[in-house]
Amino acid sequence: DAGITQSPRHKVTETGTPVTLRCHQTENHRYMYWYRQDPGHGLRLIHYSYGVKDTDKGEVSDGYSVSRSKTEDFLLTLESATSSQTSVYFCAISEGAEQETQYFGPGTRLLVL
Amino acid sequence: AQSVTQLGSHVSVSEGALVLLRCNYSSSVPPYLFWYVQYPNQGLQLLLKYTSAATLVKGINGFEAEFKKSETSFHLTKPSAHMSDAAEYFCAVSPTGGGNKLTFGTGTQLKVEL
Repeated sequence: DAGITQSPRHKVTETGTPVTLRCHQTENHRYMYWYRQDPGHGLRLIHYSYGVKDTDKGEVSDGYSVSRSKTEDFLLTLESATSSQTSVYFCAISEGAEQETQYFGPGTRLLVL
Repeated sequence: AQSVTQLGSHVSVSEGALVLLRCNYSSSVPPYLFWYVQYPNQGLQLLLKYTSAATLVKGINGFEAEFKKSETSFHLTKPSAHMSDAAEYFCAVSPTGGGNKLTFGTGTQLKVEL
């Protein structure tokens, strides 16, 4: 257990609505990540953070923004949700000498109608 | 660029039989390799990892994997399947030296039958 919580765990929203998902960690990890999981695609990296206010894009960042104002919180925002963003979203942290090992939160299931 | 191919999106075995889940990787630099397991409606749990030490890696729940550079493979095995092993399994690769960019395979759903 890497001390990761995600909120909300489930959300239903309408197209065009802004949505923010929260990832919270309690163990002072420097690196945090947001992934989405879709059938047939495995997990794909959306954005990641390597410190407070330090973030970078991943493979599928279009339509998403992130913020990290505190070490323990990493927020993922869908500015205007679309049906293609219906997915399960996972937050992760990394550990190890080279930050090579990632541990995942329980996920947020998002449905955009 | 790095990528992972998991052969077989669905694998079915009998309880007590050998489990073999295949993973082949492509990486321009020596990689780190990982297997994760996901039970229904849960997050991903790390099963085992290869980080340039022993090529045969033992993980949790009786699983192990062998890194074969010549075959660019990292197949996951378990000698005797149990009903509780039914889950989805993901292979992932990252480059060594600051390997925080994990690339995942598309997953293999393991079904265990009586």
